[in-house]
Amino acid sequence: DGGITQSPKYLFRKEGQNVTLSCEQNLNHDAMYWYRQDPGQGLRLIYYSQIVNDFQKGDIAEGYSVSREKKESFPLTVTSAQKNPTAFYLCASSIEFGNTEAFFGQGTRLTVV
Amino acid sequence: AQSVTQLDSHVSVSEGTPVLLRCNYSSSYSPSLFWYVQHPNKGLQLLLKYTSAATLVKGINGFEAEFKKSETSFHLTKPSAHMSDAAEYFCVVIPNRYSTLTFGKGTMLLVSP
Repeated sequence: DGGITQSPKYLFRKEGQNVTLSCEQNLNHDAMYWYRQDPGQGLRLIYYSQIVNDFQKGDIAEGYSVSREKKESFPLTVTSAQKNPTAFYLCASSIEFGNTEAFFGQGTRLTVV
Repeated sequence: AQSVTQLDSHVSVSEGTPVLLRCNYSSSYSPSLFWYVQHPNKGLQLLLKYTSAATLVKGINGFEAEFKKSETSFHLTKPSAHMSDAAEYFCVVIPNRYSTLTFGKGTMLLVSP
């Protein structure tokens, strides 16, 4: 069953802690993306990767880091430097970068307590 | 510069009446355009896409959209709303093959009995 799996669905973090959100796809897609969603703001791009071992900053990369060591995996680390990390995080992938639709995971809701 | 504007943050309709969700874009090139739907605490699902073929695009669940270059619009319509259509809808543009997806801020569709 092909798709994108994000885990966990809900995540709680104490202030000052780093936390890693998992994103795995078995669609054999080259490109992967991380978005942050806040009410009334749509989706904002955090990082994207066009191909394995490559990634680029998006519009709101400060306080986040990623890696792309395997084609199927694109984990996102929310660091303690991120001032307002409470949000809904969505991972997506596309067969190639640019000019093609993206497929989304079910999201991870991160809450800082 | 490229952007996408969804003209209504909320649209309310009665079940069985037509739906119109408005989207305008700006792009220097021939863009790719998409509509996605998101139910609460879920990922985004692709409804339909325009990629320079037919200007009237049919999607899933009875939705369709018309690309009007002269008006830089890509409005989403459905002849008869169903309760299950209540969700948030995002208009998305990819300005050219070297760009990522740019999201509108979303339109919440409310359907009353």
